[in-house]
Amino acid sequence: DAGITQSPRHKVTETGTPVTLRCHQTENHRYMYWYRQDPGHGLRLIHYSYGVKDTDKGEVSDGYSVSRSKTEDFLLTLESATSSQTSVYFCAISTSGRAGETQYFGPGTRLLVL
Amino acid sequence: GIQVEQSPPDLILQEGANSTLRCNFSDSVNNLQWFHQNPWGQLINLFYIPSGTKQNGRLSATTVATERYSLLYISSSQTTDSGVYFCAVYAGGTSYGKLTFGQGTILTVHP
Repeated sequence: DAGITQSPRHKVTETGTPVTLRCHQTENHRYMYWYRQDPGHGLRLIHYSYGVKDTDKGEVSDGYSVSRSKTEDFLLTLESATSSQTSVYFCAISTSGRAGETQYFGPGTRLLVL
Repeated sequence: GIQVEQSPPDLILQEGANSTLRCNFSDSVNNLQWFHQNPWGQLINLFYIPSGTKQNGRLSATTVATERYSLLYISSSQTTDSGVYFCAVYAGGTSYGKLTFGQGTILTVHP
């Protein structure tokens, strides 16, 4: 599992509240990613990081922000949750040290926004 | 951006049968991975295979990069093979390894 944990694993929240999801890795890999998975859309990239404090947007970044103050932690924040952000969120890392090589995924976080 | 298409979308097998899943992609790729998402939602790496052929037990994969497709072979299928199989590609350049996923093939193996 490449030492990836996500927290929380399940969360129910209300529209308009802020939510932060955490991805933690134990092996100091440089590249980290946040994806969301929705029926009919597969997995889509939200944001990614290529080092501490180095982040960039993916294809579905609106309504999300990220931070990476330490190599091991990559945080995804929904500033004001909406029902359209109900999804399963996966964190991933690239273990090879180079972008684009084998990625491993965390266990996922199921988020329900009421 | 790059497009990834998987076929078939659904596949139902009896235990012991063989199957082939296909992934077509619209542009040159630096990375191609196959994943299995089990019924509990976990994404499991099967192969990193930007080109060539690899085998791991009952599973094997072949990528023909020049023709822009990859195949995943499952032999002697078992009920534990059920789930969704995803192909994902990385087109290279400065996109920092962002994977683009296909829509997946839903495999159901009956005992």
